[in-house]
Amino acid sequence: DIQMTQSPSTLSASVGDRVTITCRASETIGDWLAWYQQKPRNAPRILIYKASTLESGVPSTFSGSVSGTEFTLTITNLQPDDSATYYCLQYNTYPYTFGQGTNLEIK
Amino acid sequence: EVLLVESGGGLVQPGGSLRLSCEASGFTFNAYAMNWVRQAPGKGLEWVSYISSTGNTIYYADSVKGRFTVSRDNGNNSVSLQMESLRDEDTAIYYCAREAKDSGGWYGWFDPWGRGALVTVSS
Repeated sequence: DIQMTQSPSTLSASVGDRVTITCRASETIGDWLAWYQQKPRNAPRILIYKASTLESGVPSTFSGSVSGTEFTLTITNLQPDDSATYYCLQYNTYPYTFGQGTNLEIK
Repeated sequence: EVLLVESGGGLVQPGGSLRLSCEASGFTFNAYAMNWVRQAPGKGLEWVSYISSTGNTIYYADSVKGRFTVSRDNGNNSVSLQMESLRDEDTAIYYCAREAKDSGGWYGWFDPWGRGALVTVSS
């Protein structure tokens, strides 16, 4: 199975900051990676798919990139509403696997 | 509006059975593969099962293989997850999620998701 190692597990930042979250795949997955945002008591919401394609309706303050097997989610100009847990998902091969999650707190 | 609504969750004793259903609306159900994803209390997301648009291809996570069975009824726009021999560690919110496609022909990620059904395995 492909392992997705996500870091950091927790992150604290201030309004207006820029933050990055990383997922590293245990083997090559091309650009078959998605990023999700999940708020308490809600289902995950798609932010980015195919490593860097922004889902319609998602603010352009979110962006994704890939270098080899390392994937990055960048959030610029942080807003209080960005407080959430973020997950990556590799969908190259079943069993699909998620990263462990990053809990982002806005100070 | 694309909508997925899960039902059938509840409290069950270890070793018991439960059947979850997911009713879909707002899209051509028989054109999309479907998945089940679960989330234990306070934990991360775990993919559970996949069923293709026709039902001919099915996958399971190792953690549920041999105990869970996924099926679909394209005539009624629904997908089900039959869960047997339930264990404490199966306690989770179970989400139904559609395999997404975009206008460029790319597909594979999950979108949208239902609101989830809580399954609690406890004596």
